[in-house]
Amino acid sequence: AQSVTQPDIHITVSEGASLELRCNYSYGATPYLFWYVQSPGQGLQLLLKYFSGDTLVQGIKGFEAEFKRSQSSFNLRKPSVHWSDAAEYFCAVGAPSNYQLIWGAGTKLIIKP
Amino acid sequence: SQTIHQWPATLVQPVGSPLSLECTVEGTSNPNLYWYRQAAGRGLQLLFYSVGIGQISSEVPQNLSASRPQDRQFILSSKKLLLSDSGFYLCAWSPDSSSPLHFGNGTRLTVT
Repeated sequence: AQSVTQPDIHITVSEGASLELRCNYSYGATPYLFWYVQSPGQGLQLLLKYFSGDTLVQGIKGFEAEFKRSQSSFNLRKPSVHWSDAAEYFCAVGAPSNYQLIWGAGTKLIIKP
Repeated sequence: SQTIHQWPATLVQPVGSPLSLECTVEGTSNPNLYWYRQAAGRGLQLLFYSVGIGQISSEVPQNLSASRPQDRQFILSSKKLLLSDSGFYLCAWSPDSSSPLHFGNGTRLTVT
């Protein structure tokens, strides 16, 4: 079955510390992979995407993610978090010409001052 | 540049009342359009998508329907709301099925 797992419901990180949010997927075809961020009461904003090529992708706001096919993972990282990064982060998986993205349940990031 | 507008931002409706949520996209033509519902801690559930005027695909059976009367307009409707219809509804667009989605700011619907 196709699925996306974000194992951490909440993560608390001190401002200035590094961050890694985990995403594991199960998908039959070669996947397209996405990370989105959602601030409270708002829509989702695309942080980065992986379609093919270099497995380390750079996104907006200083985020990056690494696609590891052998581990079926697409973890999101940031070297130094800012208080404005507090939000909920969603991983999603899809395939070309497939309208139905598979979404993780999200990880809420809390920043400690 | 492209923009997506979704309204209203919040809505409180009694059980049994009708619903109409509207979404419009500017700055592009023939977009793919999507309605999602988001429940706390459960990610996003695709409700409907549309690849063109009058073309609607439903992903889950439910009390809701969608219409696309114009190229860049997507409407989510219900004839009679249920308590279980409460949630956060998101409209999104993409230029094609292989491109990322761009979301509106959502509508918080509370059915009382």
